[in-house]
Amino acid sequence: EPEVTQTPSHQVTQMGQEVILRCVPISNHLYFYWYRQILGQKVEFLVSFYNNEISEKSEIFDDQFSVERPDGSNFTLKIRSTKLEDSAMYFCASSDRGHGYTFGSGTRLTVV
Amino acid sequence: TQLLEQSPQFLSIQEGENLTVYCNSSSVFSSLQWYRQEPGEGPVLLVTVVTGGEVKKLKRLTFQFGDARKDSSLHITAAQTGDTGLYLCAAKRVGSGNTGKLIFGQGTTLQVKP
Repeated sequence: EPEVTQTPSHQVTQMGQEVILRCVPISNHLYFYWYRQILGQKVEFLVSFYNNEISEKSEIFDDQFSVERPDGSNFTLKIRSTKLEDSAMYFCASSDRGHGYTFGSGTRLTVV
Repeated sequence: TQLLEQSPQFLSIQEGENLTVYCNSSSVFSSLQWYRQEPGEGPVLLVTVVTGGEVKKLKRLTFQFGDARKDSSLHITAAQTGDTGLYLCAAKRVGSGNTGKLIFGQGTTLQVKP
C-alpha cells in the first residue's frame, strides 16, 4: 500500500528558530497539502500545492510559512520564525484527483 | 465560515451494539469523506461520497450522503472492540476543485467495550 512519509516524527525547537518539515508524497499523486492539528482541536487546512505552485492557502499560512517541492519527490513546509502557538501535529497529504487524500503519520512540532 | 458539526462527540457502547454518527452542515458540499484517526497518527480515509443520496458500505460500516449534500451519517452494525477510535468527517465546498481545502469536523470518539 503506497504511503505518505513524513520526517521527523517529532521536532522540538526554540521559539524564533526556523524549522523544515519534510514529506514524501505518493509518487503518482499530483496534489499536495499541509494540514495541522493543535492538541484537542480540529484538523485545519494550511495550504494546497499543484503544478509547482500554491493553489490555496488559509489565513493561518502567513508570511512565516512557505512550501517547496525542490526535487519532484519531497514536499517541504518551512516555518521561518516559530512561535509557541505553532506547536501542533503537522500532516502532509497527497491526492491523485483531489477527493480521497492519503495522509502521512504527522510531525509533532513542539516550540519551547 | 463553513462548519461541519459531528454528533455525538463521544460514544461509549457495548460490543455487538449498533451506532450512528452524524455529520451536519448548513452548507452544500461537492464531496464528503470519512476518516478514522488513531492517537499520534494521521487520518486514514474510509470512504468518499460524492452524489446526493449515495450510500456506500464497507463491511459493517454504512455511509450515507444526504440528498442535499449537506450532511452525512456513518452507521456501524454489531460494533467490535477494534472499531474503537476517532472518526472524522471532512468535506469540500462546491466549486473548490481538486486543490480546494478539506473542512474537518471535530470528530466522534467511539469506545466499544467488550
